Amino acid sequence: QKEVEQNSGPLSVPEGAIASLNCTYSDRGSQSFFWYRQYSGKSPELIMFIYSNGDKEDGRFTAQLNKASQYVSLLIRDSQPSDSATYLCAVEKRTYKYIFGTGTRLKVLA
Amino acid sequence: KAGVTQTPRYLIKTRGQQVTLSCSPISGHRSVSWYQQTPGQGLQFLFEYFSETQRNKGNFPGRFSGRQFSNSRSEMNVSTLELGDSALYLCASSSVAGGGDTQYFGPGTRLTVL
Repeated sequence: QKEVEQNSGPLSVPEGAIASLNCTYSDRGSQSFFWYRQYSGKSPELIMFIYSNGDKEDGRFTAQLNKASQYVSLLIRDSQPSDSATYLCAVEKRTYKYIFGTGTRLKVLA
Repeated sequence: KAGVTQTPRYLIKTRGQQVTLSCSPISGHRSVSWYQQTPGQGLQFLFEYFSETQRNKGNFPGRFSGRQFSNSRSEMNVSTLELGDSALYLCASSSVAGGGDTQYFGPGTRLTVL
C-alpha cells in the first residue's frame, strides 16, 4: 500500500462543472495536507493546505479533510479549461517529511 | 520577493559521470528540500537541509548527496550516474524545518542520462 494514494485519472469534467479530486493516506499521525497543481513541464505550485478536519474554502477551491477516514479531497467549482493539470496531494508525516501522491490528471473539456 | 531558483535548468550527462545541481531558496527561507520526479514514481523526497544540517533523508542510495551553505543555498550531487537517474529534480524552500510550513518549488532541473 502506498503511503499517499490518488487515482491517476484522467478525470474529465465539462467546463463549469465541479471537479472532485481525492487522496487517501496511511499514516494516522499525519499532520498537514497540501494540494499542488502541476502543469505539464512546470513545477508544482501550491493551491492550498489544510490542517483541521472539515472544509476550507479559497475562491473556487475547497479542501476537505477527514482524519478518521484518512482522506483529503479537493473540489474545484466552476472548472475552467485552464484548470487542466495534474493535481498532487502531499501529506506531512510525523517525521516531518512530505510524501506526495502520484497525482490525478484533470481535463476540463470546453 | 523572488522565488526559488535552480540552475542549470537542463543537463545532459552520460552514465558514470557525476553532476551537481544548485538551488537558491526564497530570501529568508532556511529550509531546502530536494525531490526527484519521474513519470513512474512521481515526486520522491531525497533530503532536507536546514541551517546547513541534513534534517531528513529519503530512501535513495548514497550516490545522492547534498549540502547547504551559510546563505541557505543548497547543492545536490549525484555520482556515478545511471540511466534511471534521468528525472526532473526539484528543490523546495520553506521558512522552517520539516513541518509547520508550506514548501515553494523551484522550476526544476531536467537531467537526462545517456
